[in-house]
Amino acid sequence: DAMVIQNPRYQVTQFGKPVTLSCSQTLNHNVMYWYQQKSSQAPKLLFHYYDKDFNNEADTPDNFQSRRPNTSFCFLDIRSPGLGDAAMYLCATSRADGERRQFFGPGTRLTVL
Amino acid sequence: EDKVVQSPLSLVVHEGDTVTLNCSYEVTNFRSLLWYKQEKKAPTFLFMLTSSGIEKKSGRLSSILDKKELFSILNITATQTGDSAVYLCATRYTGNQFYFGTGTSLTVIP
Repeated sequence: DAMVIQNPRYQVTQFGKPVTLSCSQTLNHNVMYWYQQKSSQAPKLLFHYYDKDFNNEADTPDNFQSRRPNTSFCFLDIRSPGLGDAAMYLCATSRADGERRQFFGPGTRLTVL
Repeated sequence: EDKVVQSPLSLVVHEGDTVTLNCSYEVTNFRSLLWYKQEKKAPTFLFMLTSSGIEKKSGRLSSILDKKELFSILNITATQTGDSAVYLCATRYTGNQFYFGTGTSLTVIP
């Protein structure tokens, strides 16, 4: 089945130690998104890629970076995680036209010690 | 400031009840409004609405958009325990940018 896959599902890192979260998709969608969702809060869009065109939200901290080496893969790099970065990180994909319905991966739960 | 506000924040009902969830928005360059269901995992898509007054329906769920008053409702009839989840409302603005509400947590008691 076509899907969005995130690895790892759970990630524990130490304060200040860089971490990379990965997302892959078999839907061949042009657009890939990264969201941060803290407990009992709305998913917050960090950035998205339209093909290789990177779009950063204005309030996304510089600590967060992303790479999309090809259509199928997208990475979220957190350069120096702080305690406030502990959250669920959701990857989503969509077509670039029409409905723009987003398909979400299962998420990566990040814990910062 | 752009925002999406959902109400109520939480709701507890008995099986068989009908519920109405609300979503109001103030978003520049509004394109569409989407509803998602989030259980203890990633959100799953329910509806996308772009035009006022046209009801979208899927089984016991239905939704409608009012672009003049800037709100949408999600109705669930004859609720079941499997409907227990957080229901998220999101607006798409500009090309591929989405703004999510905090969600309504629905608990259906047998």
